[in-house]
Parts: sequence; structure tokens; C-alpha cells
Amino acid sequence: AQSVTQLDSHVSVSEGTPVLLRCNYSSSYSPSLFWYVQHPNKGLQLLLKYTSAATLVKGINGFEAEFKKSETSFHLTKPSAHMSDAAEYFCVVSGGYQKVTFGIGTKLQVIP
Amino acid sequence: NAGVTQTPKFQVLKTGQSMTLQCAQDMNHNSMYWYRQDPGMGLRLIYYSASEGTTDKGEVPNGYNVSRLNKREFSLRLESAAPSQTSVYFCATRDESSYNEQFFGPGTRLTVL
Repeated sequence: AQSVTQLDSHVSVSEGTPVLLRCNYSSSYSPSLFWYVQHPNKGLQLLLKYTSAATLVKGINGFEAEFKKSETSFHLTKPSAHMSDAAEYFCVVSGGYQKVTFGIGTKLQVIP
Repeated sequence: NAGVTQTPKFQVLKTGQSMTLQCAQDMNHNSMYWYRQDPGMGLRLIYYSASEGTTDKGEVPNGYNVSRLNKREFSLRLESAAPSQTSVYFCATRDESSYNEQFFGPGTRLTVL
């Protein structure tokens, strides 16, 4: 079985403060893990991906995620939020034949 | 490269009407997917195709049919649209050579009245 849990449906931060979006997963395989971002009325864009090469993954726009196998987590972080980071973020796990599972998404609000 | 393209971008249907959503890719990927996105539910898989000529049901296939006529194109058909099919539909491909990264089209916003 494979599943993804995004622990917060909404996160609100002030501009310039750190961002933490939480994701836990389960998979019977050694999974690939992804974070995608979706700005309003737009398609999905890849932020970063974990592929077992390194546990700390750097993505675009200053985002990072750390793969913690013992905690089955893949939380997304950014040291300083920018107004343009306001969007919806999806954690995705891919493992096994054709299995791709999306989390329900976390909406990030950035307050000026 | 255009990547993944979808047509139309917007569509309004009346209950009972039929339509086909088109998806095409120029990325030479074998796998293609159709998802629907509804508020608070993330993306849910409708159908997928592992290769040309093969299709399989996903999580929410009822009310939909698909066709993978060639490697480039994967269409989604609604035979008799219902208001519950009001959603945003995304087509995607998957790159098996790049740790299964998916590439998404811009989406089709469908409203069924």
C-alpha cells in the first residue's frame, strides 16, 4: 500500500519568516518523493525530488526537503518566505508499477 | 518543445452532453495519466496508460473512457456529463528514466450545468 499525508491543509506565515510544510508517507517500495507547487489557476510545477542520492534535497526558489526514513517524512522548508511563494503545495510519492499518489495539498498564505 | 498540451482550456457542458478532452506530449514518454482536481481532495487519478495501446483504471474511473491511439496522444471522454464531473482535469506524462518525475499539462477547467 502507498499513501501520503500532508499534515496541514493551510499554513500562514509572515513574509521573511521560515516556511515548514509537513508530509508523511508510506510505501512498500523504496519510493521517489516529490514536491509540486501550483499557483492559482495554473498547472503543477516540480519544486524538488528525492531519488535516494542524498537525503537533503534542494529545489527551485530556495526550497529544500529532507528525507527521513525513520520518520517516513519528507517535509518542505524555506528559510524566508516571499510573497510569490503563496500557492498550493503537493507532496507526491511514486513507487512500484505506475503508482503515483498525491497528498491533498497545503495552501500557503504569506502575509505582508 | 511544447511539453504536455491540453485542449480545450475551458469548457461548459449541459448535463448529458458528451465531450473529449485532448492531451498530447512531445517528450517521448511511455506513460500518460489523467487526473481530476477538486478543492480539498488533491489530484485523483482517473485513468493511466503505461504504453501505447494499453490503459488502466485509476482511483475514480466511473463516467469516463480513455483512448491511447499512439505514443503522443491520450484522450479522455465523458459520454454523458454530470454536474459531479465539474472539475479541473490535468493530463501528465511520467519519465521512467528520471525517477518517475511527472510533467503536467496546463489543465482543462470543465463546468457541467
